[in-house]
Amino acid sequence: QSALTQPPSASGSPGQSVTISCTGTSRDVGTYNHVSWYQQHPGKAPKLMIYEVSKRPSGVPDRFSGSKSGNTASLTVSGLQAEDEADYFCVSYAANNDCVFGGGTELTVL
Amino acid sequence: QLQLQESGPGLVKPSETLSLTCTVSGDSLDGSSYYWAWIRQPPGKGLEWIGTIYYSGSTYYSPSLKSRATLSVDTSKNQFSLKMSSVTAADTAVYYCARGLFPNTMVPFNYWGQGTLVTVSS
Repeated sequence: QSALTQPPSASGSPGQSVTISCTGTSRDVGTYNHVSWYQQHPGKAPKLMIYEVSKRPSGVPDRFSGSKSGNTASLTVSGLQAEDEADYFCVSYAANNDCVFGGGTELTVL
Repeated sequence: QLQLQESGPGLVKPSETLSLTCTVSGDSLDGSSYYWAWIRQPPGKGLEWIGTIYYSGSTYYSPSLKSRATLSVDTSKNQFSLKMSSVTAADTAVYYCARGLFPNTMVPFNYWGQGTLVTVSS
């Protein structure tokens, strides 16, 4: 069982928006803004999409955005495109130099 | 351009020790001020943080794996390594090495190796 809770699946049609949640506790998401999101296509290494809750690394489209409220962080993908179909994982720094992952969400573009 | 490459046996017997090495190119481990991590992913499952090492040798481990995992760094070879003892089938996974995005910050992980599959089986 993963430390952070994500829905196992999410879907949307091209052009639509979809939001993926990541729920933790006060020892991780609720206290620290070191929440990041990763995109993983089959057979590939994860790619950093969002860091520090809402910041985008260079090269990541602004269709990807992040937010946080209380113990829950969220990733929103706007203007869905076929290439967005992938698994998405959240990660948070946690108390005592710990690092916790979410179980992952499989995003399907219908 | 920073590159990380995992290497090690693809097959390990139950109860033995898994040993992997991550070779870094495009950056120097010595004095780099970055954190270097090991992360794994069982087939068809999610990612799991194993541990992180600072260039100075300071280590941080997942509480669930702390008793079996050991990270080390060899700055002369520009490599860092993972050893995991007493492996079982549950340790079968793709193992990734990764580096943090910013100096002196454990997360996020920005650079990843391609991953190496380790199967635990007799």
